[in-house]
Amino acid sequence: EVQLVESGGGLVQPGRSLRLSCAASGFTFDDYAMHWVRQAPGKGLEWVSGISWNSGSIGYADSVKGRFTISRDNAKNSLYLQMNSLRAEDTALYYCAKGGFLEWLQNWFDPWGQGTLVTVSS
Amino acid sequence: DIQMTQSPSSLSASVGDRVTITCRASQGISNSLAWYQQKPGKAPKLLLYAASRLESGVPSRFSGSGSGTDYTLTISSLQPEDFATYYCQQYYSTPPMYTFGQGTKLEIK
Repeated sequence: EVQLVESGGGLVQPGRSLRLSCAASGFTFDDYAMHWVRQAPGKGLEWVSGISWNSGSIGYADSVKGRFTISRDNAKNSLYLQMNSLRAEDTALYYCAKGGFLEWLQNWFDPWGQGTLVTVSS
Repeated sequence: DIQMTQSPSSLSASVGDRVTITCRASQGISNSLAWYQQKPGKAPKLLLYAASRLESGVPSRFSGSGSGTDYTLTISSLQPEDFATYYCQQYYSTPPMYTFGQGTKLEIK
């Protein structure tokens, strides 16, 4: 069974940093693209970032470009999201999601982890 | 960016009803569309991809159709477990900038 387990969320002040992790199991992690998708409280879904199987290709939503960095460690079956210069509007539940075979282009997301909550507030 | 507009934003229906949710893209997306179901406190679950392909394990009462800019999700006979929020997502745009519809909340009448 494919499992994705996020961690690293919490309460952080505006301008500070946080690093999220996603531990994957139940599939050949280094065969698949991975993504981060977030959901602000009571709101809809927003794609944040995607990464190809070998980290060779990466993309970001305009709202996080230059502040967030996605990465992966295939030896550890793990996905990461380094979030810098956090803003109140980054407050959300952050999901990691499995993408398509190898590349992060033209992906749908399946499955999703249970999410980790990031709250940006002073 | 490709904008996705879902309608209605909320819908009340009864068990056994046939329900249709519409998703309109701001430009043609060549069937590059997925549908998700999200229940309160849970992660989204993939229902369909490529506009009409049913994900493994998803009941056959769910179906999808459409082309160009207009797509629909149909639930042929609502079951109690179907009351949830539904999202569409396009994966056509280049460079990739995945976008979701704003969601349709399906409630019990």
